[in-house]
Amino acid sequence: SQELEQSPQSLIVQEGKNLTINCTSSKTLYGLYWYKQKYGEGLIFLMMLQKGGEEKSHEKITAKLDEKKQQSSLHITASQPSHAGIYLCGADGGSGNTGKLIFGQGTTLQVKP
Amino acid sequence: DAMVIQNPRYQVTQFGKPVTLSCSQTLNHNVMYWYQQKSSQAPKLLFHYYDKDFNNEADTPDNFQSRRPNTSFCFLDIRSPGLGDAAMYLCATSRETDRAGAQYFGPGTRLLVL
Repeated sequence: SQELEQSPQSLIVQEGKNLTINCTSSKTLYGLYWYKQKYGEGLIFLMMLQKGGEEKSHEKITAKLDEKKQQSSLHITASQPSHAGIYLCGADGGSGNTGKLIFGQGTTLQVKP
Repeated sequence: DAMVIQNPRYQVTQFGKPVTLSCSQTLNHNVMYWYQQKSSQAPKLLFHYYDKDFNNEADTPDNFQSRRPNTSFCFLDIRSPGLGDAAMYLCATSRETDRAGAQYFGPGTRLLVL
């Protein structure tokens, strides 16, 4: 079965600093999703990547899917306290179009003012 | 705004007392999912409905059931909650099950079992 590993598990950065979170899959990724979760709340959809080499940006967050489609990175530029939370990568965990998402264990981000 | 709504946000129940969690959506999506998320863990899929077709995950305990009376609503029934069922329960929807679109999550219901 497919597994997603995120690194680092937690991150503390000073406001204004850049940071990167990685998500590595044990199998080829056919769709990679990034979500953000604040403690005790639901998941907020950030971005979806499907093609090798694809890169998407929203405000100060950029996500990439590498050419071999087994790793994705999420990069935050000039971090702000509002970026704090848990970032989860998710991928299709089924053998086909099952809709089943499996998730990495999450990366907890703290941004110090 | 179109959204996924879960009620209640917090639910306290007693050991063995049946409980029902509710999810509704205004996105008119075909698929509705229920995930269980325990503390500091990733969400884990329990089951999903594609329209009226129910799809159970192999490792979902029989204690968990679901109903989808119409497109907008989906319910999670826990027949005899145990202490180990205390968790956040997340409802999500997607237009289809293929890889073309994302799943959109509700705010979750936190269940406490006494």
